Amino acid sequence: GAGVSQSPRYKVAKRGQDVALRCDPISGHVSLFWYQQALGQGPEFLTYFQNEAQLDKSGLPSDRFFAERPEGSVSTLKIQRTQQEDSAVYLCASSLIIQGNTEAFFGQGTRLTVV
Amino acid sequence: AQTVTQSQPEMSVQEAETVTLSCTYDTSESDYYLFWYKQPPSRQMILVIRQEAYKQQNATENRFSVNFQKAAKSFSLKISDSQLGDAAMYFCAYRWAYGNKLVFGAGTILRVKS
Repeated sequence: GAGVSQSPRYKVAKRGQDVALRCDPISGHVSLFWYQQALGQGPEFLTYFQNEAQLDKSGLPSDRFFAERPEGSVSTLKIQRTQQEDSAVYLCASSLIIQGNTEAFFGQGTRLTVV
Repeated sequence: AQTVTQSQPEMSVQEAETVTLSCTYDTSESDYYLFWYKQPPSRQMILVIRQEAYKQQNATENRFSVNFQKAAKSFSLKISDSQLGDAAMYFCAYRWAYGNKLVFGAGTILRVKS
């Protein structure tokens, strides 16, 4: 594809609901990242995939957060039993490799609002 | 742990003038990369400029340049001939050369006045 695509762009969830956020990376990109961006803040790292392998999930804030990339392309970030503090923009980024100063390309994010 | 600090929550510049956005970082590593990203209201992060820590020469991309002071751990962004389209949130980011994740600052809102 032309760029990183994320869906939905906006999601409103009632507290306690489960949500699934989708990321379609640029075709052929090996590395995929998820970041969480609270209102007025910089993005914070959640997790990293190299192909289908989740190599780093140190940023996931709780066991309610789960990410997968089963075939090494599309990735899904799932949040179970959403809480108000989960309200944020969730950004996905991909890059061809992750070495040196390789550029990471970002999607437009999913804005999650938990009410 | 690495941290990135942007001490200017908001900056304003007159169209065609020059503005400098500040960024400092803290790391014990010697090999790393620094980036400036622009985030317009569409939310998509766009890479503006990048700097390798081992390079002494400051990076330049058209109207954008950096002042990289490794000893001071400072990495400021200069925007020359500011344009209305430069208005956005700007983030400074760090990545360890052998790591994967970007560490971002809190951002600076840049307003451009016509």
